[in-house]
Order: sequence, then structure tokens, then C-alpha cells
Amino acid sequence: DAKTTQPPSMDCAEGRAANLPCNHSTISGNEYVYWYRQIHSQGPQYIIHGLKNNETNEMASLIITEDRKSSTLILPHATLRDTAVYYCIVRGDTGRRALTFGSGTRLQVQP
Amino acid sequence: NAGVTQTPKFRVLKTGQSMTLLCAQDMNHEYMYWYRQDPGMGLRLIHYSVGEGTTAKGEVPDGYNVSRLKKQNFLLGLESAAPSQTSVYFCASSYSRGLPFGTDTQYFGPGTRLTVL
Repeated sequence: DAKTTQPPSMDCAEGRAANLPCNHSTISGNEYVYWYRQIHSQGPQYIIHGLKNNETNEMASLIITEDRKSSTLILPHATLRDTAVYYCIVRGDTGRRALTFGSGTRLQVQP
Repeated sequence: NAGVTQTPKFRVLKTGQSMTLLCAQDMNHEYMYWYRQDPGMGLRLIHYSVGEGTTAKGEVPDGYNVSRLKKQNFLLGLESAAPSQTSVYFCASSYSRGLPFGTDTQYFGPGTRLTVL
């Protein structure tokens, strides 16, 4: 699976959009971009994933650049409950079952 | 839907004791996983199962055994607990949508905090 790079931490004001970037310049054609988050001491929570096109669900939007070398997770209206560590994961058809979490981005939503 | 549930939430064991952690999912998922997460570290896969009656080793299987007798349940056993097994254990499940192997969306339980003294 391709390596990802994320900023270690970000702040966001409550009610504003949180834009979390991820660089995955070595991504290959059949690899998906997944986003998970882990709120302190809780189990990782699936947010969204995509291959080429932008995706949106009830939690967030995922914007993938045309060359697929980077992506942005957007939380449209961040709340205090969105404070968590966010992980960008690239997964593909490598036969590897495990989810590999890197160091992620610690998002702190400020009141 | 309760999703993925884990029992117990907390447990303290003495070295050499045994215990079983239970994971249950009500989403009719084929695949189930057991991970461990140590402080400040990422998840490491212990064992997984791609269907009822089948199990396979993950990255750190030593000291653990698993069983998948029913589709909805995945049990993790520690036969003789060691302090090195102090960790938070997460169970996850996913379903196959005909996508490439290794691209399933995994849904996690709340975790079991295990301390081995």
C-alpha cells in the first residue's frame, strides 16, 4: 500500500469547515483512499473512501486531485465532537488485509 | 443495528491466566478481524477470518488463538496471559463487495482494555 503524509496537527473553529490534507504521491491506479478517525480511547471510525472521483456522505466530503497524488477530507461544519486523530490510508489489491494507520492528523476543534 | 460489540470492556488478568474476548456483529459481514493497539502506536492485526469456520494469522498472532464458529461471532483467546499482552484490543468486521482483496471497509468495535499484571 502507498505511503501517506499528513500534517501532525490542525486547529479548526467550531462551525467552520475543517480541511484535512493528505499526500499520497506514490499511489497506484487500483488503490483507494480511505479516511478513518479515532476519538480518544474509542475504536477507529470509518469516514469515507474513494478511488478517482470526489465523494460525499453524511459525515464528510473527499476531494481527490486529478493526478490522485493528494486528497482532502472536508468536514463541512466541524463540532467539538469532531476532535480526533484523522488517518488517511491508501489501500489496494496487495493481498494485505490489515489496515495500516500512520501517525495521522490530530484535529482540535476550538469553541 | 448495534454494529460491532465487544465483551468485556475492561479486564485485569494475572500472568498465566487465560481469558476469551468476544466480538459480535449484526451486519452479516463475512470478514472479521482482531487488532491490538499499544500506547502511541498504530493497530496491529492479530488474526482474521474470511468466513464462518475459517481463520488466518495476521501480523502478531503469537500467544493468541481465535475461533469463528458462527458468522456473527469472532472469539480471541489468550491461553496464558503475559504482561506484553497488555493492550487495547479492537475487533472489526467488513463485507465483500467484489472489490479487490484488501480494499474492504472495516467497521470497528469500541475496544477491550486488557491489563496483565
